[in-house]
Amino acid sequence: DIQMTQSPSSLSASVGDRVTITCRASQTISTFLNWYQQKPGKAPKLLIFATSLLQSGVPSRFSGTGFGTDFTLTITSLEPEDFATYFCQQSYRSPRTFGQGTKVDIK
Amino acid sequence: EVQLVESGGGLVQPGGSLRLSCAASGFTLTTYWIHWVRQAPGKGLVWVSRINSDGSTTDYADSVKGRFTISRDNAKNMVYLQMNSLRAEDTAFYFCVREARGYSAYPMDHWGQGTLVTVSS
Repeated sequence: DIQMTQSPSSLSASVGDRVTITCRASQTISTFLNWYQQKPGKAPKLLIFATSLLQSGVPSRFSGTGFGTDFTLTITSLEPEDFATYFCQQSYRSPRTFGQGTKVDIK
Repeated sequence: EVQLVESGGGLVQPGGSLRLSCAASGFTLTTYWIHWVRQAPGKGLVWVSRINSDGSTTDYADSVKGRFTISRDNAKNMVYLQMNSLRAEDTAFYFCVREARGYSAYPMDHWGQGTLVTVSS
């Protein structure tokens, strides 16, 4: 199975901060990398697919980059509604696997 | 509006069985793969199983292989997860998830609200 490792596991930030989350795959996955946001008590929501494509309705302050094994999710200016947990997921090969999550909370 | 609504969760004793249901609406189920993904309380997301659009191929996580069976009835817009020989470690919220095969990288673009399965004596 392809292992997905996110870092950091958690971070504290303030509104307006730039936040970067990284995701590393244990083997190359091309651009088959998706990002999800989950708020407490809610289902995950698709943010970015195919490494860098924003899902409809997702604000442009979210962006994704990467190729192969190393990927990043960036939030350019954190808004109050962005405090949540973020998961990466590879869809290159079955079984689909997720990173362990990065919790973004208020500093 | 695309909706996936899970049902069938609850409290079950170790060794018992449950059948989860996922009712799909707002889209043509026959053109989508469907996954079940679970999340133990306070933990991360773990893929459990998937079924292709016509139900001809299925796949399972090693941890549930031989105990869980995924199926679908496209005529009824339903997907199911039959869970047998349940263990305490199967305790989790179970999400029914649509995979967008028409998108690059096949993202999981719609998730149900989840149903809680608790395995305990």
